[in-house]
Amino acid sequence: DGGITQSPKYLFRKEGQNVTLSCEQNLNHDAMYWYRQDPGQGLRLIYYSQIVNDFQKGDIAEGYSVSREKKESFPLTVTSAQKNPTAFYLCASSLDRGRAEAFFGQGTRLTVV
Amino acid sequence: DQQVKQNSPSLSVQEGRISILNCDYTNSMFDYFLWYKKYPAEGPTFLISISSIKDKNEDGRFTVFLNKSAKHLSLHIVPSQPGDSAVYFCAASELGNKLVFGAGTILRVKS
Repeated sequence: DGGITQSPKYLFRKEGQNVTLSCEQNLNHDAMYWYRQDPGQGLRLIYYSQIVNDFQKGDIAEGYSVSREKKESFPLTVTSAQKNPTAFYLCASSLDRGRAEAFFGQGTRLTVV
Repeated sequence: DQQVKQNSPSLSVQEGRISILNCDYTNSMFDYFLWYKKYPAEGPTFLISISSIKDKNEDGRFTVFLNKSAKHLSLHIVPSQPGDSAVYFCAASELGNKLVFGAGTILRVKS
């Protein structure tokens, strides 16, 4: 089955540690995105990538980093510089830049302990 | 500044009746609008979309209406079913670029 896989589903991090969230898609989509959801808020865009080896900052990129070395993979690193990292993180992909419909993974719940 | 606003945090509807979820936007350059449905601890799933060249799009029980002059769109669900209980997000994009999401509306369908 084609789809987007995020792992792990739950992640705990100690303060001061970097942590990497995985996102893999087998839909052959060019564009991939990372969103963050906080209670009572919509989905806020962290980073997005329209093509391999290229990515752009979204609205809340500070404290995060990404890479796009392969079309299928778009990992997100939450660094110690992110002051409030506890949130639900969602990865998404879309066919290409001209197609706005994005398909989402199941999400990763990150908790800082 | 929120470019996409869902002013009702929650909505409660009786099973079988119509659910109407509303969304307002401020960016007149948005040309594509989408609705997503989300259950707790899951990713959103795409529900229905509409291009700015249309004012209505229908898919089964779901209809989206777009009023460009008012910068307003709405999602109608008829008839509402208990399984429709979820958070509904409105989203918009400009020329197929990044999606901008509203804060979401929690829909509860009572049986």
